[in-house]
Amino acid sequence: KAGVTQTPRYLIKTRGQQVTLSCSPISGHRSVSWYQQTPGQGLQFLFEYFSETQRNKGNFPGRFSGRQFSNSRSEMNVSTLELGDSALYLCASSFAGGDTGELFFGEGSRLTVL
Amino acid sequence: GDSVTQMEGPVTLSEEAFLTINCTYTATGYPSLFWYVQYPGEGLQLLLKATKADDKGSNKGFEATYRKETTSFHLEKGSVQVSDSAVYFCALSDTGRRALTFGSGTRLQVQP
Repeated sequence: KAGVTQTPRYLIKTRGQQVTLSCSPISGHRSVSWYQQTPGQGLQFLFEYFSETQRNKGNFPGRFSGRQFSNSRSEMNVSTLELGDSALYLCASSFAGGDTGELFFGEGSRLTVL
Repeated sequence: GDSVTQMEGPVTLSEEAFLTINCTYTATGYPSLFWYVQYPGEGLQLLLKATKADDKGSNKGFEATYRKETTSFHLEKGSVQVSDSAVYFCALSDTGRRALTFGSGTRLQVQP
């Protein structure tokens, strides 16, 4: 079956702009998580959604937000972009969440902020 | 809070050498432990996992044992191949948190 699909794969923005990233989970998966990957901070958890509800949130400012739709697809938005937001944003899906279940990751959306 | 500490890389080995990547953790509850692998240009893939103390996870010749007494989950493989070249991440998921805490990753380079 199809894996986790993230769009766009690459994008370039300038400081102050906003960006929306999209994630389509594996069919049947109801949990979607987002992670930020940078060389300096590594992989950091942003938030997790299950059945359109945010169940958990990482330690990121309010400029980072997300949502999940009834078909389990998810979007994350970053407003007022800063240079430090340049990163690979990874989406992961699972049937029930990250406690003991396997997370299936997409290839990521690479954001460059100029 | 939760944290995962991995050995610094890169680790460079010759083909058929023995591999160990150290991982230790700090958690408040009873975490599940994972090793994920990231091949160049790809997303992360689960390599193996262990959900309770003394469990051994294994996959593709890789093994790791959940050691509660030493809070460790070291990754081992008896004979590495060039195709094992990737970045390896140790991670934990603490009870009820539904999020992974990752280590910094260890790059493995295997030379023919």
